[in-house]
Amino acid sequence: AQTVTQSQPEMSVQEAETVTLSCTYDTSESDYYLFWYKQPPSRQMILVIRQEAYKQQNATENRFSVNFQKAAKSFSLKISDSQLGDAAMYFCAYTGANSKLTFGKGITLSVRP
Amino acid sequence: EPEVTQTPSHQVTQMGQEVILRCVPISNHLYFYWYRQILGQKVEFLVSFYNNEISEKSEIFDDQFSVERPDGSNFTLKIRSTKLEDSAMYFCASNSQGALYEQYFGPGTRLTVT
Repeated sequence: AQTVTQSQPEMSVQEAETVTLSCTYDTSESDYYLFWYKQPPSRQMILVIRQEAYKQQNATENRFSVNFQKAAKSFSLKISDSQLGDAAMYFCAYTGANSKLTFGKGITLSVRP
Repeated sequence: EPEVTQTPSHQVTQMGQEVILRCVPISNHLYFYWYRQILGQKVEFLVSFYNNEISEKSEIFDDQFSVERPDGSNFTLKIRSTKLEDSAMYFCASNSQGALYEQYFGPGTRLTVT
């Protein structure tokens, strides 16, 4: 079975600074996708970024980028130029052949003005 | 931009009552999912649905739960006899191609069982 681990329960970053959120996963599949979802206090799940396992290039989406290390099964999210609106819960998630999403426990990110 | 919608946004029910949570997936999507998030915990998969039948279900999805696509647009989750521990946020999600693609989430229904 696939597992997703987010070992840091919370992090804090100064506005305009950069922060990295860690995620590791375990799978025996060779083809899969990884995602970072943002969950603000409204509890809506918002897709931040996705990474296809077969792609070597790290995904980027404006201020958000990932460091995907397939051999190490690591998938971290970097947020550059942090903004107050980035404060939220962030979930790392995995999907493979059976299509269900497996989520990590999440990390609470706070942004200091 | 098309989006997944869910109703109601908040449902309060008494233990033992039946509840139906409703979802309208994005119109050209064929794969549908329900997830649950107990307050302060991670999001957990409940069930996936394709071609009018369940594709996969988790251990949480016991005989008290059922899903249905009664017409061409709605996708419902029914809990037959609610328990206190069913209190959670329930998210519906959908996508067009099933495995290995991102899922689009609705805003969730907060279910409170008293």
